[in-house]
Amino acid sequence: DSGVTQTPKHLITATGQRVTLRCSPRSGDLSVYWYQQSLDQGLQFLIQYYNGEERAKGNILERFSAQQFPDLHSELNLSSLELGDSALYFCASSVDQGFEQFFGPGTRLTVL
Amino acid sequence: GENVEQHPSTLSVQEGDSAVIKCTYSDSASNYFPWYKQELGKRPQLIIDIRSNVGEKKDQRIAVTLNKTAKHFSLHITETQPEDSAVYFCAASKGGYQKVTFGTGTKLQVIP
Repeated sequence: DSGVTQTPKHLITATGQRVTLRCSPRSGDLSVYWYQQSLDQGLQFLIQYYNGEERAKGNILERFSAQQFPDLHSELNLSSLELGDSALYFCASSVDQGFEQFFGPGTRLTVL
Repeated sequence: GENVEQHPSTLSVQEGDSAVIKCTYSDSASNYFPWYKQELGKRPQLIIDIRSNVGEKKDQRIAVTLNKTAKHFSLHITETQPEDSAVYFCAASKGGYQKVTFGTGTKLQVIP
């Protein structure tokens, strides 16, 4: 157990819908990262937050947005969902920005 | 931006043999190189990492070497065991406000 929690574990929804994925970092970690992993694919970096502020952006679609709250938990919002958005979404956290990251168990999103 | 190439994409070894996975990176400013192990359907787990001021690091049966001049780093697993079977990802980062770029992964199969 990495200490990073993610909810929900599984999410099944329909095209066009909007969902919110939640992540709580390890105690003491200020950085949160979001990744997308499609079937048999690598890890695609989406976005990074540090102590509530956006710090780095990857290949995140305009339909996706995220934020980190004062209690350091983070939410990833996915809207106007498409079939291709079906994937595992991982959250990771670290003490130092860009260094040792610890991943949560992931949220498996299925868009039907 | 940073580009990380990882080879091979699949690797089969007999139990007890060694396995080597190689990665190259493009940005000479990268200074942190972690390796993650991901079992099927599970979260990536950090298994070892190295920073650019170190040429080699060992942890029991796992070692990582870094050649900054050639911009490549490798993961070495000795005395492989069936439980080593997983997908391994290398990554590179400049730390700070920079994203971590992952390689495409190597599926390692250890044959009993």
